[in-house]
Amino acid sequence: KAGVTQTPRYLIKTRGQQVTLSCSPISGHRSVSWYQQTPGQGLQFLFEYFSETQRNKGNFPGRFSGRQFSNSRSEMNVSTLELGDSALYLCASSLEQGARGYTFGSGTRLTVV
Amino acid sequence: GESVGLHLPTLSVQEGDNSIINCAYSNSASDYFIWYKQESGKGPQFIIDIRSNMDKRQGQRVTVLLNKTVKHLSLQIAATQPGDSAVYFCAENLAGGGADGLTFGKGTHLIIQP
Repeated sequence: KAGVTQTPRYLIKTRGQQVTLSCSPISGHRSVSWYQQTPGQGLQFLFEYFSETQRNKGNFPGRFSGRQFSNSRSEMNVSTLELGDSALYLCASSLEQGARGYTFGSGTRLTVV
Repeated sequence: GESVGLHLPTLSVQEGDNSIINCAYSNSASDYFIWYKQESGKGPQFIIDIRSNMDKRQGQRVTVLLNKTVKHLSLQIAATQPGDSAVYFCAENLAGGGADGLTFGKGTHLIIQP
């Protein structure tokens, strides 16, 4: 079966712009979680969506937001981009709510210039 | 806040030898631990997990050991192969599952010498 699909794979944006990243979970998975990965901070939890509702949230500013659609696909949005937002953004899906049974996508590499 | 950490950023082993990657955690409320492998250009891939009511779990060529007394987690890879070259992360999850997602360690880059 198809894995977790993240689009686009690479993105270059300018400071101050906003960006939307997309994640299609494994068929049947209802939970989607997002993580940011940087060399300095490592992997950090952003938020989790389950049944179109944000269930958990990490310690990120309000510029980071997301949503989930009825087909479980999820998008995350970052507004007013800063240079420090350059990172690999990873999406993970799982059958049920929570951090167990994750399957990660390959990520979207965002570069802010 | 509390977080999971790893002892070594890089570990170099000879092909065919056994590898041991260590991780220290500080949150005694964590009840679920996972090891992930991340290859260049890919997302983390699940290797093995263990719950806090166990101290050892074995998979195919991998073993995870959990020592709750000293809050230590290790991943043992038997007969290391070139395909094992990757960055390895430990991660923890608090009891109840889900709250704040997974907390990851910084990662150990495993290098396989021919």
